[in-house]
Amino acid sequence: DGGITQSPKYLFRKEGQNVTLSCEQNLNHDAMYWYRQDPGQGLRLIYYSQIVNDFQKGDIAEGYSVSREKKESFPLTVTSAQKNPTAFYLCASSNLAAMNTEAFFGQGTRLTVV
Amino acid sequence: AQSVAQPEDQVNVAEGNPLTVKCTYSVSGNPYLFWYVQYPNRGLQFLLKYITGDNLVKGSYGFEAEFNKSQTSFHLKKPSALVSDSALYFCAVRDMDTGRRALTFGSGTRLQVQP
Repeated sequence: DGGITQSPKYLFRKEGQNVTLSCEQNLNHDAMYWYRQDPGQGLRLIYYSQIVNDFQKGDIAEGYSVSREKKESFPLTVTSAQKNPTAFYLCASSNLAAMNTEAFFGQGTRLTVV
Repeated sequence: AQSVAQPEDQVNVAEGNPLTVKCTYSVSGNPYLFWYVQYPNRGLQFLLKYITGDNLVKGSYGFEAEFNKSQTSFHLKKPSALVSDSALYFCAVRDMDTGRRALTFGSGTRLQVQP
């Protein structure tokens, strides 16, 4: 069935280690987004992509990197430069053709620094 | 920049009573507004959205939202709350100012429905 798949559901990172979060969609959406969720702060935009091979920084891009080599995939790498990576990460996608179209979300990845 | 505000961190209501979760917005043009619900350790589920012309919007699970342009509000409502409605609710606006078209979210309101 259609939707967005994030993996893994839980991820543990050691100090100084890079980790990659996977996000795949089969909704044929052009746009994909990564958000970070911290308690009491809502969701904050990390990176977004509106077309293959192109992506833009969101509000809190420092310490993160992304790629968009395929329409279906938008992986997020949390680098060692991200000093406080423990958070819940959400991937979303949407159809840009209509501005009142909602975004669809994956089930999230909870990243913990150990 | 476009933004939404959710003034209440938590709303408590008894089962069977009506509920309201508040949201106000700030946009420079026409607003594209959304409500989402989140259960623990899960992604966001879409509830409803504002479409120009209909001030009362009906959505999933019996929820509705009232758009008020003069008060720049988009409050979420339900006539009779269920214990299963207890969750975290987010209001969002689509960012049209910068061209990125991403959703900008409020800080969320935790709804607690007591049996």
